[in-house]
Amino acid sequence: AQKVTQAQTEISVVEKEDVTLDCVYETRDTTYYLFWYKQPPSGELVFLIRRNSFDEQNEISGRYSWNFQKSTSSFNFTITASQVVDSAVYFCALITNAGKSTFGDGTTLTVKP
Amino acid sequence: GAGVSQSPSNKVTEKGKDVELRCDPISGHTALYWYRQSLGQGLEFLIYFQGNSAPDKSGLPSDRFSAERTGGSVSTLTIQRTQQEDSAVYLCASSFPSGGVSPDTQYFGPGTRLTVL
Repeated sequence: AQKVTQAQTEISVVEKEDVTLDCVYETRDTTYYLFWYKQPPSGELVFLIRRNSFDEQNEISGRYSWNFQKSTSSFNFTITASQVVDSAVYFCALITNAGKSTFGDGTTLTVKP
Repeated sequence: GAGVSQSPSNKVTEKGKDVELRCDPISGHTALYWYRQSLGQGLEFLIYFQGNSAPDKSGLPSDRFSAERTGGSVSTLTIQRTQQEDSAVYLCASSFPSGGVSPDTQYFGPGTRLTVL
């Protein structure tokens, strides 16, 4: 079975706080790809990052950083110094080589001024 | 535009009617995905095409749902005898698999909002 769990349904922070969005996955495949997408109030999904199962190197892009730990099947996403414009629903997803695609239920992040 | 397009953007239909939803992927993208997103929910995977073939149809909720893709481009998702629980936003995404095999970034269309009365 393939599953992506985003345990945090909603998170609320005050601007400039750091926030981490958790993602835990399950798959029997040895090759797979992990993604994070942002869905702002406008509704259109925006790609943030892609990681394959062989690349555990963490990545930083501006205020965004991702921590991939295969040992704990986690792919967490941290926003540093959050801003109001970061308010959105964030989805973690897992896709196998065969194209089987599973999204988490999403975490709604609200950043208050 | 160069993005994924979907039509119609909104569709209101009566229970029991058939509907067709269309997706135009980004030119050259060989992989195409259909998802369903109910209000306030996550994305539910429906079907995936690689070229014109669909190796994984396991996500289709019932036999009232079908999808096809012709010419490796446009895809149509058909829902027969619609039910109220079919009401949702139907999202299409396309990608160009890296090396022709592994799934690459999915680019999403704006979705079709389906309302079944």
